[in-house]
Amino acid sequence: NAGVTQTPKFRILKIGQSMTLQCTQDMNHNYMYWYRQDPGMGLKLIYYSVGAGITDKGEVPNGYNVSRSTTEDFPLRLELAAPSQTSVYFCASSYGGATGDLETQYFGPGTRLLVL
Amino acid sequence: GEDVEQSLFLSVREGDSSVINCTYTDSSSTYLYWYKQEPGAGLQLLTYIFSNMDMKQDQRLTVLLNKKDKHLSLRIADTQTGDSAIYFCAESTNNAGKSTFGDGTTLTVKP
Repeated sequence: NAGVTQTPKFRILKIGQSMTLQCTQDMNHNYMYWYRQDPGMGLKLIYYSVGAGITDKGEVPNGYNVSRSTTEDFPLRLELAAPSQTSVYFCASSYGGATGDLETQYFGPGTRLLVL
Repeated sequence: GEDVEQSLFLSVREGDSSVINCTYTDSSSTYLYWYKQEPGAGLQLLTYIFSNMDMKQDQRLTVLLNKKDKHLSLRIADTQTGDSAIYFCAESTNNAGKSTFGDGTTLTVKP
């Protein structure tokens, strides 16, 4: 299993540009998450999904959109990039949905985004 | 909302024990996690503890949970230079698997 993969690894955007951060998992996990990590800070949840076709907002959703058309893929869309969106973005997945260690989240390697 | 607090930095000598502390506010937390993040990488789950336990040991790692004080600690025995990383404490309440993360403790191990 490749686990959770993210592309691209690094990207520079100009203010106002748009882009899609890709995330794919091959563990047949139901739940997927997008986080951002600002320098010296912990992770803030942007959006999450509990299954294909279902998404919901996290703590910091403004300026982002997501879709979940398949179990494997959970892309994150930035429509009008702003300097405040400069961050490292992590995608994660978990089996979820029950008690037990099924809640354990597995993380991708991250996408570093710089908006100038 | 939920909050998770950690001290920002810890420095130890190789071979010593490291203790990283964490406090949380949500009394309904179901699971508490410790993640390790090496430079330029994502978070790697180290260990977790269920809220009805007070201790869990896994090789060099010992997790202690004081549910009354909402205090969690991670002890790393015989700390090695390869343990240098950022350690994140996180909690979840079995709510769609969402977790709240602390800001991370940077552990530096000096030879």
